[in-house]
Amino acid sequence: DAGVIQSPRHEVTEMGQEVTLRCKPISGHNSLFWYRQTMMRGLELLIYFNNNVPIDDSGMPEDRFSAKMPNASFSTLKIQPSEPRDSAVYFCASSFTGSSLHFGNGTRLTVT
Amino acid sequence: DQQVKQNSPSLSVQEGRISILNCDYTNSMFDYFLWYKKYPAEGPTFLISISSIKDKNEDGRFTVFLNKSAKHLSLHIVPSQPGDSAVYFCAASKGGSEKLVFGKGMKLTVNP
Repeated sequence: DAGVIQSPRHEVTEMGQEVTLRCKPISGHNSLFWYRQTMMRGLELLIYFNNNVPIDDSGMPEDRFSAKMPNASFSTLKIQPSEPRDSAVYFCASSFTGSSLHFGNGTRLTVT
Repeated sequence: DQQVKQNSPSLSVQEGRISILNCDYTNSMFDYFLWYKKYPAEGPTFLISISSIKDKNEDGRFTVFLNKSAKHLSLHIVPSQPGDSAVYFCAASKGGSEKLVFGKGMKLTVNP
């Protein structure tokens, strides 16, 4: 079991650029979550999918953020345009109904 | 508005002693509580959980206590080991939802 795989591990970009974060959940898991970690707010849920369908996107901060899950083995989180306040660590997690969340190692995003 | 609060940002204890990590919540609808541990540059990993029908759950050196009337839970680690040094997140969910609400985290340092 390779675990949840996120790429890239680090991303540095300039303000105004588009950023795409990628996630491969654990095979067989049917739920996928995107979290953002900052010092001020801790771990915040941005959006989660169940069986590839977005269930709750109330945590997505603005229209600049979008997430997709085209199939059971891949999801993206896109920020367009990016801003310095988007700098954070973004975690993807997956689970099977009733099980605990399994997190990836995160993508550290820096927007200058 | 933080629904799950970890008011102490850090704790330092000596190896072999007890570590007590506290967590408060405001939403009385929460009925399932979890603790996650996070090492630097890694994603959080599940540690222990408790349902609201219980007031205590034990797993080896880790025990979680739940006080529903006070909306308070705590994680006890006995004895503490240097490898326990990490950031600990308290999380809660309601009604069987997979959506977890996390606290800001608390950094535990266990000194040899």
